[in-house]
This record gives sequence, structure tokens and C-alpha cells, in this order.
Amino acid sequence: NAGVMQNPRHLVRRRGQEARLRCSPMKGHSHVYWYRQLPEEGLKFMVYLQKENIIDESGMPKERFSAEFPKEGPSILRIQQVVRGDSAAYFCASSPIGQRAGELFFGEGSRLTVL
Amino acid sequence: KQEVTQIPAALSVPEGENLVLNCSFTDSAIYNLQWFRQDPGKGLTSLLLIQSSQREQTSGRLNASLDKSSGRSTLYIAASQPGDSATYLCAGGRTGTYKYIFGTGTRLKVLA
Repeated sequence: NAGVMQNPRHLVRRRGQEARLRCSPMKGHSHVYWYRQLPEEGLKFMVYLQKENIIDESGMPKERFSAEFPKEGPSILRIQQVVRGDSAAYFCASSPIGQRAGELFFGEGSRLTVL
Repeated sequence: KQEVTQIPAALSVPEGENLVLNCSFTDSAIYNLQWFRQDPGKGLTSLLLIQSSQREQTSGRLNASLDKSSGRSTLYIAASQPGDSATYLCAGGRTGTYKYIFGTGTRLKVLA
């Protein structure tokens, strides 16, 4: 019974490179959320997706960041031309539909370090 | 703008004590309220979910309540144990959105 799976768990990039973070939701879950946790700060909402649709991206920086959740395969958070300020833990969560809709289940996170 | 405040920011107690963690919202139009624990370097583990029609939830030694009129939630931990040491986070979502707003957490340390 796999939970939310995120990879890679740790990623090191140099400034200007691209980072791709992947998230597979729990089985049966069709809603995916991405959150960012900066050192010593709380989790900040970035984007909410359903299969092939971005529902709410109000927390995404306007530039360099994009997210997708294709019909097949994991959700991907893509950060282009990374800068040191992008260093953070990126968490993915999924939730079911129906009676427990909105209950979040988190992955272990992907920790991005930008050199 | 929705803000979530958790008090205290840090707490250190001897083993066996009962304790209460507090969470308050500036916006009382809460749909779901969820409590999590986070261990250092790890993800978030869901503890309790209080849905709109509910006032409290219990799981083992944990009890969470939600008072929407005052915009407050409390997490009660009975007979605390060293294994309870972690950061506890509350998160609330307004009606019509699944965009949860998180508090900055309470760092709990239970001393053996």
C-alpha cells in the first residue's frame, strides 16, 4: 500500500540548471498539491492539479516554475534556471474524492539544494 | 488574507504530561481542519481531520477540536511520550477550495 511517492528525495543543482521533481499520488487519489517549505518557515501552497488540469496555481511564482499532472504518469514540478533562493523542501500531497475529500496525504518531500 | 497562528512555538514537557497545542485562524470560514506531525527531515504525517460538519476527532491519545465561530482548534495529547517529540502543524482550508493554509508549527519535545 504505497503512499505518496516523491523522487528524487535529494537533488543538487547549480545556478541556471533545471530541476524536475516527480510525485505519484496514492492509489485512487486524483488530486495533487505541491507545497514548498523554506528553512525555518511554514509550508506554502504552490499549485493544485487534477489529471490534465491545473485547478489553482495562485501560489506559483510567475516565472521559471511550472507544474503538470498528465493523464499517464506522475505529476511533475519543473523549475527552470534555478537560483539559490529556490533551495527548499518541496512536498507533494494527494487527496481522495468523496467523503474524505480534502484530506491531505503527504510524501517525504524532495529537498533541492542550489549551489 | 487567511493567517494561521500556532501557540506555543515550542514546548518542552516531562514524559507523562497531558498537553494542549493551539491553532487559530483569522478567517472562520473553515471547511476542513487537519493536524499533522513532522519529524526532522521527513514529510508530514496526517494525525486527525475535522470536516466541516464535525466538532472534534479522536485517535488514541490524540483529540482535536474545532470551534469555527472563534476560529480556533486545539490538539490535546494525553500521557505524552518521548516518541511524541516532533513538530505539530495545523492546516485549514476554506469552503470551496483545497488550498490549505499552514501554521508554522509547534515544536514539541517530551523528556524521558
